[in-house]
Amino acid sequence: DVKVTQSSRYLVKRTGEKVFLECVQDMDHENMFWYRQDPGLGLRLIYFSYDVKMKEKGDIPEGYSVSREKKERFSLILESASTNQTSMYLCASSLRGAYTDTQYFGPGTRLTVL
Amino acid sequence: GENVEQHPSTLSVQEGDSAVIKCTYSDSASNYFPWYKQELGKRPQLIIDIRSNVGEKKDQRIAVTLNKTAKHFSLHITETQPEDSAVYFCAASSSGGYQKVTFGTGTKLQVIP
Repeated sequence: DVKVTQSSRYLVKRTGEKVFLECVQDMDHENMFWYRQDPGLGLRLIYFSYDVKMKEKGDIPEGYSVSREKKERFSLILESASTNQTSMYLCASSLRGAYTDTQYFGPGTRLTVL
Repeated sequence: GENVEQHPSTLSVQEGDSAVIKCTYSDSASNYFPWYKQELGKRPQLIIDIRSNVGEKKDQRIAVTLNKTAKHFSLHITETQPEDSAVYFCAASSSGGYQKVTFGTGTKLQVIP
């Protein structure tokens, strides 16, 4: 059974703080993703990675960076948190392959920036 | 880039009735169309998907149809039950490994007992 875990379920930070969100998957998946989920806006892709040390910008990368030093771990970094980054953040992973596209999601981190 | 539009944003049906959610996509290169269900407070989970080489796929009470010409695909749920109440997301991607999936904005389905 695929397990994707995220470091925190709830997080409260102050404006200007540097914030780290961690995601770990235990199924040796090559692809990993970070989304933010806001009401009425669906799941928007922030960054994704298809291999260690590789990263690609998604649709809304501004204000975020990522790190993938190990295959199982994908970190999302908010360099200087702002109130408009208050959101639910979801991590996902998937196998790389022609017919193995299912994304497995983590439980989410609800981040509040005050 | 790909753009996926999803309608309606909310849908209420009586238990036992059918529910239909529709999505359109813009990129003709997209060839994989999954649907995810997110129950309240839980993570999204894949419920069904379809690839561009088929027009319809069924799994018990759930079916998905795809019209590549019109760039349109739909989720059909028959004999709805209260446990079908959730937010449903459609998505589109170009399959084959280096996938970037674009999601729709979601449909909140409420099944009224």
